[in-house]
This record gives sequence, structure tokens and C-alpha cells, in this order.
Amino acid sequence: QVQLQQWGAGLLKPSETLSLTCAVYGGSFSGYYWSWIRQPPGKGLEWIGEINHSGSTNYNPSLKSRVTISVDTSKNQFSLKLSSVTAADTAVYYCARVRSAAAGTRPMYNWFDPWGQGTLVTVSS
Amino acid sequence: SSELTQDPAVSVALGQTVRITCQGDSLRSYYASWYQQKPGQAPVLVIYGKNNRPSGIPDRFSGSSSGNTASLTITGAQAEDEADYYCNSRDSSGNHLRVFGGGTKLTVL
Repeated sequence: QVQLQQWGAGLLKPSETLSLTCAVYGGSFSGYYWSWIRQPPGKGLEWIGEINHSGSTNYNPSLKSRVTISVDTSKNQFSLKLSSVTAADTAVYYCARVRSAAAGTRPMYNWFDPWGQGTLVTVSS
Repeated sequence: SSELTQDPAVSVALGQTVRITCQGDSLRSYYASWYQQKPGQAPVLVIYGKNNRPSGIPDRFSGSSSGNTASLTITGAQAEDEADYYCNSRDSSGNHLRVFGGGTKLTVL
């Protein structure tokens, strides 16, 4: 059973760079996309971006200029960097595996499972 | 703003049936997935694809889709189903971008 464990700094000052890593245990790393998702306090989920084992990435256009997602296949890990953080980046950050399947005549559909435990990142001066 | 629209709050009497909806243009093409989130916990997948439940999810949870609307139905809601529910799908541009609905707070009365 695949498990995701994530870690990283929980308190940052404005303008610093957020850095989180997610490790994948108990399953295949290749053949999937791996995502980062965040949730500001009291608000909904926001997809940040994703990467596959080859390093191909997709990013949320609203964050693309500040986000870098990278992968280390030797360790079955992927990482998130978000530059120039502000208080608006305060959130719980989750990593998750992206799964895909075909559905007859419909395009491929996706879902997130499993999720990491979440890391609260607070940006404050 | 989210490209997937959910009602902010829905309530249901204990044991009754409730439907939570998610609207968006991308849902005409792509199936949604649904997540349950309880306070202080990570989201948990409850429905994916046409109507698939992961192992461990009770069969009172079901999914359906029609036009631009995806629905999550809980038949015989239990107290432990009180939570926030989020839908997710591709964005309407057809690119490899993903979007969540704003979430629905379900209260079981």
C-alpha cells in the first residue's frame, strides 16, 4: 500500500522560498504523476502542480511564475519550491499521487490517492 | 475563482439521502472525483470515475454525472459523514491542469 510522507520548514518570512519534500513508500514511483495541493486556513483546496518520474511538469497558471516541482527518482521523492512567499501562501500543503484511467469514449480521468499527512506552512514577519 | 461550482453548505437529517453537486464545463467531458475532509485531517477519496468507490468507503456513497454536473449522493447519511466535500476534475481548457470545487460543508442533523 502506497504511503506518502512529507516534510519541510513550517515557518517562513515574507520573500523567502518555501521548500517541501514528499517521499513515496510501498509502491511504484514511475508511471504516475505526483501532485502538490494546498489549503489556506478555513478555505478550500487549490491544486499547485504535478510532476512525473521523467520530470514532466504541469503547473497552476496562477502560481506558475513562482513554483518549481522537481523529482528524485533515486529516492522516490518529489519536491516543491515556491519563491517570494507572502502571507497569502500560508496554508496546509499536501502531496498526493495522481491516478488515471480510461472511461470508454470519454477522455482519461484522474483522481488523487493517497494523500500525504499535510504540512502547515506559515508566512509571517 | 473556481471553474467547478459547489453549494457552500448542505444539511441532511440523520438517515436521509443527500446529494452534493458540482457544476463546470469540464464535467461534460471529464469525470469528477470526490473527497471527504474532516477537521484537521487530510482529504480522503470517496468516489472516482463514473461511480467507483475505493476500498473501505461505505456503499452509501455513490457518484453520478449528467451534462455539466457531477453529483455525490449519500444514501442514509450517518453522523460520521458530517464533513467538507470537494469535487475535482480537469480544467475546461483541456490542458493537463486540475481544479477543485470550492467545497460543500455537509451538516448531518
